[in-house]
Amino acid sequence: AQSVSQHNHHVILSEAASLELGCNYSYGGTVNLFWYVQYPGQHLQLLLKYFSGDPLVKGIKGFEAEFIKSKFSFNLRKPSVQWSDTAEYFCAVILLSYNTDKLIFGTGTRLQVFP
Amino acid sequence: DGGITQSPKYLFRKEGQNVTLSCEQNLNHDAMYWYRQDPGQGLRLIYYSQIVNDFQKGDIAEGYSVSREKKESFPLTVTSAQKNPTAFYLCASSILGLEETQYFGPGTRLLVL
Repeated sequence: AQSVSQHNHHVILSEAASLELGCNYSYGGTVNLFWYVQYPGQHLQLLLKYFSGDPLVKGIKGFEAEFIKSKFSFNLRKPSVQWSDTAEYFCAVILLSYNTDKLIFGTGTRLQVFP
Repeated sequence: DGGITQSPKYLFRKEGQNVTLSCEQNLNHDAMYWYRQDPGQGLRLIYYSQIVNDFQKGDIAEGYSVSREKKESFPLTVTSAQKNPTAFYLCASSILGLEETQYFGPGTRLLVL
């Protein structure tokens, strides 16, 4: 079955540490890829997205993600996290097909950054 | 301000009762969505609508119903058939269809008395 996996459920880091959150999907066709973020008390909002082109995409607040098609992955990275990055992060994949597109969200990764 | 509004912020349901969650958007988006968010399960799609007077079931539509009589509005009814309704419900919209960036509302937390 088609699925999206976020293996890191809860990540705890100190400020200035590097971050990498994993996202893998199972689907052999064309995909659109997203990372959404939910800061405490705020709406879920788009962090970055990949539709086509350069597989390394840059988003807001210094985040970036790399689409590696051969690994079915779209990992999120940030070289140096800040306390304000504390939030829940969701990977979302849209499986594009001729008949019906399908959207699947990952289960989310809760990131806590301590000063 | 343009955006998506959901009301109420908290909603309590008694056993056997139907309740309706409101979602309104003034972004002029064609597509609207309802998700359910449970701890450890991420977001799961309940229903979506890509055009007025048309909607499709998502992955967990059982026990829910929707209508799309106006472009701006996509109310969700949680029926008595939904045996485990306690959750956080998120409404979203996108310019055209499912393949695009979605914009989310603040959510409604539904609790069962």
